[in-house]
Amino acid sequence: QVQLMQSGAEVKKPGASVKVSCKASGYTFTRYYMNWVRQAPGQGLEWVGIIDLSTGGTNYAQKFQGRVTVTSDTSTSTVYMDLSSLRSEDTAIYYCARGGDWYSTFDSWGQGTLVTVSS
Amino acid sequence: EIVLTQSPGTLSLSPGERATLSCRASESVSSPYLAWYQQKPGQAPRLLIYDTSSRATAIPDRFSGSGSGTDFALTISRLEPEDFAVYYCQQYGSSPRTFGQGTRVEIK
Repeated sequence: QVQLMQSGAEVKKPGASVKVSCKASGYTFTRYYMNWVRQAPGQGLEWVGIIDLSTGGTNYAQKFQGRVTVTSDTSTSTVYMDLSSLRSEDTAIYYCARGGDWYSTFDSWGQGTLVTVSS
Repeated sequence: EIVLTQSPGTLSLSPGERATLSCRASESVSSPYLAWYQQKPGQAPRLLIYDTSSRATAIPDRFSGSGSGTDFALTISRLEPEDFAVYYCQQYGSSPRTFGQGTRVEIK
């Protein structure tokens, strides 16, 4: 079955960077896309960006342009999200979520990674 | 960006009752790219409905989706105890993909 296993919780200081990983299993990695979605404490869902796992092409929400980089390692079926210049408002649970195309629903989700930004 | 507004914010109902959740878009959603997700406390969201009205794998038929253009709805025909949760709509036809703010379905 499809599994997306994310890395553990992180605590960072303002201005620092964080890299969250998402290891996929149970399906052919490069046939799909991976999205990143975040959820601030007690808040709704916010889309961060997407990567085409066959080409490495990416697309990011304008809000995060210049601060986020999503990459993948096909040899380990792992996707990474790197977020820089962290501020307190970036405190959130970050989820990876599989998609079937550039424009598709998110049919499987990781368990989430809590990133806390605090001085 | 397409803004999705869900109503009501909270729906208080009893098990066995019918729930109707609304999702209104600020502009027309590229058809049929509207989805619904369910989220329970401490869990990741789960896909319920895709392409406006198609049920995802293993989703019971008491869940149904409808709508077009700017007005969409999720209906739960008879609430089961496990259905009390937060529900989000999402449009995925244009970038950025956007979500509604959520509707909480709580036990009355």
